[in-house]
Amino acid sequence: AQKITQTQPGMFVQEKEAVTLDCTYDTSDPSYGLFWYKQPSSGEMIFLIYQGSYDQQNATEGRYSLNFQKARKSANLVISASQLGDSAMYFCAILNSNSGYALNFGKGTSLLVTP
Amino acid sequence: DVKVTQSSRYLVKRTGEKVFLECVQDMDHENMFWYRQDPGLGLRLIYFSYDVKMKEKGDIPEGYSVSREKKERFSLILESASTNQTSMYLCASSSSGTGKDNEQFFGPGTRLTVL
Repeated sequence: AQKITQTQPGMFVQEKEAVTLDCTYDTSDPSYGLFWYKQPSSGEMIFLIYQGSYDQQNATEGRYSLNFQKARKSANLVISASQLGDSAMYFCAILNSNSGYALNFGKGTSLLVTP
Repeated sequence: DVKVTQSSRYLVKRTGEKVFLECVQDMDHENMFWYRQDPGLGLRLIYFSYDVKMKEKGDIPEGYSVSREKKERFSLILESASTNQTSMYLCASSSSGTGKDNEQFFGPGTRLTVL
C-alpha cells in the first residue's frame, strides 16, 4: 500500500523567510507521481506542484520548489519568500496505483506566516 | 475556467435521514472522487468512478454509496446519516492521462453536520 507521512502538524515562519514542509512516502511502484496541495481557511484545495518519479529535475513553480530525494523517499516542499497569504494547510499526496487515479494524502501541515 | 461544483457548502441533517451530495464537473473528466476530510486525518477516499455507471470502493466506503449516471455528475449518498458522518466532503475530478495530467481538481467542499 502507498503511504504519505507528514511529520509536522504545525509550522511557523516569518514573512519573507523560506520554509520547508516535510513529506516522506512509501510505495513499491517503480513509477509514481507526487502532488502538493494548499488549502486556505476558505476550504478549497489548490494544486501547487507535481513531481514525477522519473523526472530528472526537481520541480519548481514560482516560489514553490520540491526537494525530491528519491533514494530517501522524500519530497519536501520549499516555499521561498513567504507571504502572509501562504498561511494554510498543506497536503502532500501520492498517486494510488491501486485505486485508479486516486490520491493518497498525508495528514497535512498547518503553516502560519507571521509579520 | 475549469470547474467542479458541489450542491451545498453547508448542510445540516438529522440522524437517520437519507442525504444526497451532488458533484458536477465541466472538464469532461473520466475520473471522479469523493473524499472525506477530518481534522488530523487528512483526506480519505470514500469512493471513486472511472467511467459512467462504474464505481469502486475507496478506503472508507462503509455507510456510503455513490451514483454516476452521467459523465459530469457524481453523487454521494448517505443511506441513513449518523453523527459520525459529520465531516467535510470534497469531490474531485481528473483526466486519465499520465503524470501531471492526473492532477485532481476539487470542488469547494460540503460541510455536513448530522445531529
